[in-house]
Amino acid sequence: EAGVAQSPRYKIIEKRQSVAFWCNPISGHATLYWYQQILGQGPKLLIQFQNNGVVDDSQLPKDRFSAERLKGVDSTLKIQPAKLEDSAVYLCASSLLNLGYGYTFGSGTRLTVV
Amino acid sequence: AQTVTQSQPEMSVQEAETVTLSCTYDTSESDYYLFWYKQPPSRQMILVIRQEAYKQQNATENRFSVNFQKAAKSFSLKISDSQLGDAAMYFCAYRSLLKAGGGADGLTFGKGTHLIIQP
Repeated sequence: EAGVAQSPRYKIIEKRQSVAFWCNPISGHATLYWYQQILGQGPKLLIQFQNNGVVDDSQLPKDRFSAERLKGVDSTLKIQPAKLEDSAVYLCASSLLNLGYGYTFGSGTRLTVV
Repeated sequence: AQTVTQSQPEMSVQEAETVTLSCTYDTSESDYYLFWYKQPPSRQMILVIRQEAYKQQNATENRFSVNFQKAAKSFSLKISDSQLGDAAMYFCAYRSLLKAGGGADGLTFGKGTHLIIQP
């Protein structure tokens, strides 16, 4: 089966600009997650979707970050305006059901804010 | 909130030897899942092994096994017969079953251990 697709793979922007990342989960996976992985740290959950509804966004900086999952398939994560500390890898993952296993991760987007 | 601690930023092992990566966690919950993930330079997180807290038996997957000490809140990963392809970042992760009951089952990760395999 095809994996979790993410684009772009790399992105460089200046601070205060906006940026968007796209994720296409594995077909049929109802749950989708966005993680932020700052260099030297483990991934941190930003937001979890179940179909097109938000289940957990407690760690999403809502003043600048937003995410949507229209039609319960693809998802977009946006940062506006970006700050230097937003430089990180943004990982998308999906799972079939809320079963505690079967998470499949994409290869992420590496964002550099200069 | 749960926390996961990996105290070894980097470990090095000779090819074909055995290495153990440490992980401790803090939780007040009694039921949860623990994971070890591998992250090669491609950045994709790959599941290595999973342990359910209610199971006393330690999980094993081929050359990978865990030592799960629930009372000590310790979850170490042992890699036997290390191979060059094992070189990567390794992350320990926690999944709350309490939160998952409400639908939120995202993972809490440690900071990772960089594993180097010496040929």
